[in-house]
Amino acid sequence: AQSVTQLDSQVPVFEEAPVELRCNYSSSVSVYLFWYVQYPNQGLQLLLKYLSGSTLVKGINGFEAEFNKSQTSFHLRKPSVHISDTAEYFCALGRAAGNKLTFGGGTRVLVKP
Amino acid sequence: GAGVSQSPSNKVTEKGKDVELRCDPISGHTALYWYRQSLGQGLEFLIYFQGNSAPDKSGLPSDRFSAERTGGSVSTLTIQRTQQEDSAVYLCASSQVVGQGYGANVLTFGAGSRLTVL
Repeated sequence: AQSVTQLDSQVPVFEEAPVELRCNYSSSVSVYLFWYVQYPNQGLQLLLKYLSGSTLVKGINGFEAEFNKSQTSFHLRKPSVHISDTAEYFCALGRAAGNKLTFGGGTRVLVKP
Repeated sequence: GAGVSQSPSNKVTEKGKDVELRCDPISGHTALYWYRQSLGQGLEFLIYFQGNSAPDKSGLPSDRFSAERTGGSVSTLTIQRTQQEDSAVYLCASSQVVGQGYGANVLTFGAGSRLTVL
């Protein structure tokens, strides 16, 4: 079985401060990892993905994530957030032999001025 | 179309009624997914369609839930005899299939259909 745990359900952060959203996963086979973002009243959109290769992945809007196999983590970071980054962020896991993505419970980021 | 289109965007129904939710995926995307997002919860997988293969229905929570995909394009999710616990946002997504295996698919989501069962 596979699972994804997002350790923080809510993260308040001040504008221009850094933010880190934590994601840990459990899987007995090789995985693909994703971060999706959901802005208010919109569908999810892809921020970044790790399929193979470099463990540091850069995505859109200045976000990046690092795949750490030994710690089974894929934490998302941004050095300086904007008000427009207020959204819910989902970590997701896929397997080569599988089809569906398994999502974490989501982390709601609220950027304060 | 340019994106994944879902209708209705909002549906309020009475307990015991049947509802149908529609998804129109991106043209050319062979894979189609339904997920359910309940308040304060993550996304729960419901069903997956890929081309002409038999769908993966492993996530459907009960036999009141069913889905079909006609002509490899539009999909309809049907919930019979709705219950209050069915209240949620139902998200549809589609994707192309990439060479690394289906688990590497990048999903494009619709805006969702918000279902409220009174």
